[in-house]
Amino acid sequence: ETGVTQTPRHLVMGMTNKKSLKCEQHLGHNAMYWYKQSAKKPLELMFVYNFKEQTENNSVPSRFSPECPNSSHLFLHLHTLQPEDSALYLCASSQDKPRGSSGNTIYFGEGSWLTVV
Amino acid sequence: AQSVAQPEDQVNVAEGNPLTVKCTYSVSGNPYLFWYVQYPNRGLQFLLKYITGDNLVKGSYGFEAEFNKSQTSFHLKKPSALVSDSALYFCAVRDSGAGSYQLTFGKGTKLSVIP
Repeated sequence: ETGVTQTPRHLVMGMTNKKSLKCEQHLGHNAMYWYKQSAKKPLELMFVYNFKEQTENNSVPSRFSPECPNSSHLFLHLHTLQPEDSALYLCASSQDKPRGSSGNTIYFGEGSWLTVV
Repeated sequence: AQSVAQPEDQVNVAEGNPLTVKCTYSVSGNPYLFWYVQYPNRGLQFLLKYITGDNLVKGSYGFEAEFNKSQTSFHLKKPSALVSDSALYFCAVRDSGAGSYQLTFGKGTKLSVIP
C-alpha cells in the first residue's frame, strides 16, 4: 500500500484513441511527477508540477498532455500515441522546495501499464 | 549534468551470502543519493538515502549503503541475502545545487538470490 494511487493499472489503446491516466497522492506533498519506464532504458522524467504549476517538461511530445488541478491530483492525457509509447508510466510525489533540489524522498505509485496497438 | 552508473546488469548471490549492488555517480555540486527497489509488475519502493552526515546509511529490509565521496560511489549492501530480495534495484542521484527536480536514475541491476 503506497500513498500514491494510480489508475488504471493496465490500459490498452489504439493509436487514434484518447485516454487519460490518473494519479492521486495522499501524503500532503506539494510536488508531483510523471516518469516513463521502458524496457532496457533508464527511467525518464516527463513532467514535474509544484504547487499545481508545471516546472519541468523534459521535451515530451505533445501527444502527452499533463494536467494538475490541485496538489493531490495529476493526470496524463494521451492522444494519438505510437506503439513505441507502450511503457510503464509512474506517478510520484514529494515535499519539495519551489525550485527543487532538496534531499526529500520521492514516493512512487504502482504504475500504469500502457500498451498502444 | 548529473549521471548514475550501475555497472552490473545482473548480480547473482546465494541465499545467506552478503550482497553488493554497485553504483557510481557524477554531479557538479553535492549529491543526494537514493536506492529504490522494484518487484515484478510493481512501482518503485524507497529503500534508503544519503543526504549528509554519516557515510553509512541504513534502510529498509536490512539494507545499507556507504557513501564514498572520493570514489563517487554509493554501493548497496546487505550482510545476508534472502530469496525475497530478488528484484530490480535502482540507484538515483540529485544535484543539491542544480535548482532542478531532476532525479536521475541508473539503468537498474537485477538481483537474483539463489536458494
